[in-house]
Amino acid sequence: QSALTQPPSASGSPGQSATISCTGTSSDVGGYNHVSWYQQHPGKAPKLMIYEVNKRPSGVPDRFSGSKSGNTASLTVSGLQAEDEADYYCSSYTSSDSWVFGGGTKLTVL
Amino acid sequence: QVQLLQSGAEVKKPGASVKVSCKASGYTFTSYYVHWVRQAPGQGPEWVGRIKPSDGSRIHAHKLQGRVTVTRDTSTNTVYMELSSLRSEDTAIYYCARDNHVWSYDYWGQGTLVTVSS
Repeated sequence: QSALTQPPSASGSPGQSATISCTGTSSDVGGYNHVSWYQQHPGKAPKLMIYEVNKRPSGVPDRFSGSKSGNTASLTVSGLQAEDEADYYCSSYTSSDSWVFGGGTKLTVL
Repeated sequence: QVQLLQSGAEVKKPGASVKVSCKASGYTFTSYYVHWVRQAPGQGPEWVGRIKPSDGSRIHAHKLQGRVTVTRDTSTNTVYMELSSLRSEDTAIYYCARDNHVWSYDYWGQGTLVTVSS
């Protein structure tokens, strides 16, 4: 199972928005709504930010939103804040009854 | 509160085996799947395997088939991940993570660094 494709970097100024894409295939992202997004700060474990494409766990700010079109999912962070600077990974359930992650995107708040 | 507490860092020689533990607390252990995910230095996460604590049924990443085993002990609410025939490319932080019933990981352990070096 190949890793999902993410851009290596994204950026935005405080208060602006940034969008990160995650491209897979019809066997993973395109075939299921089990797409998740994780935020990871250096030296920390990942934190769930979005699940089932567009649902936010309790405690995650509504500045974080998710969507999907075909084989590509997206994470949008609105009203960027300094603490949003981190690595972001997408993940999807697959038709092989396994899970696959993206290579990660480093989000920089300028 | 939900906690997943993992065992400490390990250093192993190529060809050896390692067993990492993950003790769960703060929730009903048998009601949630537990996954193992590893992350090599500077890389994205990689799914390793999953176990259903209520009956012990498990699946593993095809890439690691034959080398990885995920088990659990319901008397201590602990999940284990054992990886054999270690290679340098197995060097990574290994995380356990709870599945939130919809194939996402809502709680993570603190991670266990496994270093494979001669």
